[in-house]
Amino acid sequence: GAVVSQHPSWVICKSGTSVKIECRSLDFQATTMFWYRQFPKQSLMLMATSNEGSKATYEQGVEKDKFLINHASLTLSTLTVTSAHPEDSSFYICSAGQDTQYFGPGTRLTVL
Amino acid sequence: DAKTTQPTSMDCAEGRAANLPCNHSTISGNEYVYWYRQIHSQGPQYIIHGLKNNETNEMASLIITEDRKSSTLILPHATLRDTAVYYCIVRVVPNTGNQFYFGTGTSLTVIP
Repeated sequence: GAVVSQHPSWVICKSGTSVKIECRSLDFQATTMFWYRQFPKQSLMLMATSNEGSKATYEQGVEKDKFLINHASLTLSTLTVTSAHPEDSSFYICSAGQDTQYFGPGTRLTVL
Repeated sequence: DAKTTQPTSMDCAEGRAANLPCNHSTISGNEYVYWYRQIHSQGPQYIIHGLKNNETNEMASLIITEDRKSSTLILPHATLRDTAVYYCIVRVVPNTGNQFYFGTGTSLTVIP
């Protein structure tokens, strides 16, 4: 199957700082990528749809000014958590693909 | 996309077949059944998908009832590494949105 990577795999930051997470499709082009968030012992929650060349689409309740998404190329989408706070600590996962979605390995964010 | 219902948890003895059920009674004619699994602290892994015929690949078999209102994922010889949360998702294909909405899944524990 197709391969999706994420970087970094884990990050620890201080409250108030911004953190950027990268999602790359390694062997295919993706005009659309998706970002999910997962809290401990919960299911994945879709946050937003990243569209190459246009603005991201956010799910209801997700703050677009806090979670900035940039789809710079057909193989790269970035999620920036701005002014991070402890409640933003979570497991962030991206996906890409056509009808079958392939998921990245996830990024563990811990905000102190 | 139609909703799915899965048991919260299941146990299976190592070496035996694991049969994971999924109910999707409101599935429509153009919706496929997808199965993913998520091993702790990793991104979801694609397993298999199907429309109405039974499907088999190197990982598992998917049995879909004739009325398509339910399906069963079969892991023929479960190993300890199959311990994971298994998600059953139904979605329209082709899907211009492409996003997956995850339910709560079934936590499968393979017992030595």
